[in-house]
Amino acid sequence: QQQVKQSPQSLIVQKGGISIINCAYENTAFDYFPWYQQFPGKGPALLIAIRPDVSEKKEGRFTISFNKSAKQFSLHIMDSQPGDSATYFCAAREETSGSRLTFGEGTQLTVNP
Amino acid sequence: DAGITQSPRYKITETGRQVTLMCHQTWSHSYMFWYRQDLGHGLRLIYYSAAADITDKGEVPDGYVVSRSKTENFPLTLESATRSQTSVYFCASSGSELAFEQYFGPGTRLTVT
Repeated sequence: QQQVKQSPQSLIVQKGGISIINCAYENTAFDYFPWYQQFPGKGPALLIAIRPDVSEKKEGRFTISFNKSAKQFSLHIMDSQPGDSATYFCAAREETSGSRLTFGEGTQLTVNP
Repeated sequence: DAGITQSPRYKITETGRQVTLMCHQTWSHSYMFWYRQDLGHGLRLIYYSAAADITDKGEVPDGYVVSRSKTENFPLTLESATRSQTSVYFCASSGSELAFEQYFGPGTRLTVT
């Protein structure tokens, strides 16, 4: 069963716009929520991550918003650029699982010039 | 070069054949993972290893075998390949339970005819 649900599956945004990708989870034992970015033909790479004791984390144009009570977290990409076009995966780690991550289904983002 | 490598990058095989995908990392990371990536399913964990000689099943282990005799290598074997195993396979590694970031290899695109 998919423990992390991600939406939308695909997203098209104009250059300069805001891209928003959402994830939801059920397992309250998750204690670490990373986002990975994957360019075509490459492996995923860590983009940004958050722990549930923080409601927001910002790194440059990328922001994670975390709502613990709703068990939801989202990635916001401000001033989206064509170079941001990639597949984005949210993920979650269960505290007893070591380094294991459960990934969402992925969102293919296209930023048009 | 340091990092995580996978070989081959592309492989075409026939149904019923055995095929082995190789993964090598130079960081001496404790944890290693095998994922398959399919459209609509994101990254699904096949097997993982917490250390040499310690392996465990992930979400979709059926039809796959792993071994880890050395810390740096984590080969994945399809004992009798099926068309449903056509996918892109990613290997990843992580330093420890306290260092959650997973570093991914470039992937192997496997086609089973």
